[in-house]
Amino acid sequence: KQEVTQIPAALSVPEGENLVLNCSFTDSAIYNLQWFRQDPGKGLTSLLLIQSSQREQTSGRLNASLDKSSGRSTLYIAASQPGDSATYLCAVTSNTGKLIFGQGTTLQVKP
Amino acid sequence: GAGVSQSPSNKVTEKGKDVELRCDPISGHTALYWYRQSLGQGLEFLIYFQGNSAPDKSGLPSDRFSAERTGGSVSTLTIQRTQQEDSAVYLCASSYYGGGATDTQYFGPGTRLTVL
Repeated sequence: KQEVTQIPAALSVPEGENLVLNCSFTDSAIYNLQWFRQDPGKGLTSLLLIQSSQREQTSGRLNASLDKSSGRSTLYIAASQPGDSATYLCAVTSNTGKLIFGQGTTLQVKP
Repeated sequence: GAGVSQSPSNKVTEKGKDVELRCDPISGHTALYWYRQSLGQGLEFLIYFQGNSAPDKSGLPSDRFSAERTGGSVSTLTIQRTQQEDSAVYLCASSYYGGGATDTQYFGPGTRLTVL
C-alpha cells in the first residue's frame, strides 16, 4: 500500500530565506508526483507536476525534484515571502489518477 | 473559464440525518474525484468517476456513503445516517483524462460538514 510522508510537519522561517520541503513515498510505481498549496479554508492549488520520467520541474521561485528510485521528492522555495505562508501537500498519482497525499507541511514566513 | 464549484460551502446537520453534497466539475473534464480532509486522517481519496461510471470506489468508508454522476458532469455525494466521525471537509476535483503522467486535478473549495 502506497504511503506518503512529509517532513517537517511545520516550518517557520524569516522572509527571504530559501527553504526545502521533503516528501517520501513507499512504492516507486507512480505516474507522477504533484505539489499542492492549500490556504486556510480553501481548496488545493496545483503548484508543480513532475512526471515519473522527469527529474525536476520549475515554476518561478519554486523547484521540485523527483528521485523515483529512492522514493523522494523535494520542493525548494527560493527567497521566501510572507505570501508563501500556507500548507504544502505532496501527492503521488496511481494509474487511475487517484491522488495519495502526505500529511502536509505548514509553512509560516515571517516578515 | 469557471473552476470546480461545490455546494453548499458549509453544512451543519444532526447525527442520523442524510446529507447531499454537490460538485460541478470543469466543463469538458471526463474524470471527477471526491476526497475527504479531516484532522486526524489528512486528505483521503473516496471515489473516482470516469464519465458516469465509478471504476474506483475503494475509498468510501462505509455503505452509508454513495455517489453518482449524471450526464458526465455534476456529481452528488450522499451520506446517509450521518455520524459525528463524518465531520470533515469534502473536496471535489476534476481532470481532463483521469490518469496518465500529465493529468492535473483541479480542486473545488470544498464543503465543510459538521455533524452535531
